[in-house]
Amino acid sequence: DTAVSQTPKYLVTQMGNDKSIKCEQNLGHDTMYWYKQDSKKFLKIMFSYNNKELIINETVPNRFSPKSPDKAHLNLHINSLELGDSAVYFCASSQGRSHGYTFGSGTRLTVV
Amino acid sequence: KQEVTQIPAALSVPEGENLVLNCSFTDSAIYNLQWFRQDPGKGLTSLLLIQSSQREQTSGRLNASLDKSSGRSTLYIAASQPGDSATYLCAVEGENTGFQKLVFGTGTRLLVSP
Repeated sequence: DTAVSQTPKYLVTQMGNDKSIKCEQNLGHDTMYWYKQDSKKFLKIMFSYNNKELIINETVPNRFSPKSPDKAHLNLHINSLELGDSAVYFCASSQGRSHGYTFGSGTRLTVV
Repeated sequence: KQEVTQIPAALSVPEGENLVLNCSFTDSAIYNLQWFRQDPGKGLTSLLLIQSSQREQTSGRLNASLDKSSGRSTLYIAASQPGDSATYLCAVEGENTGFQKLVFGTGTRLLVSP
């Protein structure tokens, strides 16, 4: 069973479109995250949710809106996609500060 | 603002060599440090987690050390194998953040040739 699963794995779309990426974890973790990995492979946090509550929102354009319907799911909706949004988006989960992270396999978003 | 740097950016070694990857961070007020492995087109796999009160952690052929006061960590890989080829990332979590927020390094791309 995949611990943190993201869909879709690949997403190619045109500028201006709206798209969503879904994430689910079956680990029972309380905290979920979205990270963005840019073209230089640098990973940076975007959002963090703890028990469905938004905890961290790192200077991300408001075109990005995370939604957590329950603590096992954290979706990312992106409006009016721009070329610069092309990246790999990783979902992750964790249970407490003394524990490590579990990452999903990533969603490669390409905006053309 | 925490900044994490990894040296070297890329490393190519023959199979069987022992090697060391370096990670440095600018703010020593960390809660923990983690090493991850990323294979091409894949997610991140957690390798080792070192709490700020610990000096090292070991898992199989991997050993990670932490010198918090000097802002350094090393990942030692013994008897490297071609299957170790991947990008290795270190990440730190600050003491003062209420919830986990990892700041990642720039990564070391490792190639182990048979």
